Amino acid sequence: NAGVMQNPRHLVRRRGQEARLRCSPMKGHSHVYWYRQLPEEGLKFMVYLQKENIIDESGMPKERFSAEFPKEGPSILRIQQVVRGDSAAYFCASSPLSGINEQFFGPGTRLTVL
Amino acid sequence: GQQVMQIPQYQHVQEGEDFTTYCNSSTTLSNIQWYKQRPGGHPVFLIQLVKSGEVKKQKRLTFQFGEAKKNSSLHITATQTTDVGTYFCAGPDSNYQLIWGAGTKLIIKP
Repeated sequence: NAGVMQNPRHLVRRRGQEARLRCSPMKGHSHVYWYRQLPEEGLKFMVYLQKENIIDESGMPKERFSAEFPKEGPSILRIQQVVRGDSAAYFCASSPLSGINEQFFGPGTRLTVL
Repeated sequence: GQQVMQIPQYQHVQEGEDFTTYCNSSTTLSNIQWYKQRPGGHPVFLIQLVKSGEVKKQKRLTFQFGEAKKNSSLHITATQTTDVGTYFCAGPDSNYQLIWGAGTKLIIKP
């Protein structure tokens, strides 16, 4: 059973470009969470999705950021018109049930904005 | 809103010394989870505590959940270089979203 997969592992974008980060949860997991982590800091919750639904996006900036988890395919975190402050590690986690259970993390995508 | 505070932010120890990190929630938790993140890696689940006053051990790691279910601790006995990393606690809020502590970074002095 493959773990949570994220790609790309590293992504470099210039200011103003778009970044698309993908996450495939573990098999059988229908709950996906996205987190952002700045260097030497903790995890900041961004958004919680179930298949085709956004359950909680309270941690995600209202502008430029969006997330989806379609019926088929991976979850996508999309950042439009990236700025230098978006440089961070973005982790995806999945769980079979709601957040009350343990979360399984992917390896992360390290986004660098030049 | 609900907060989970974790201290200390950093702890420097000599190899072989003990290490402890503490986690305090502003509200009662249904459970507390602990994760470890190695440098350059991703968080990995260690354990979940559910019962008031619960104590669980994993080799040199001892996890405790307070009687009031608002605080928890992780104690590592005789640290080794493989213990290096950041230890996070997390507990679910009323919407079953995990609220994370800021983490305690364990640094082994050379």
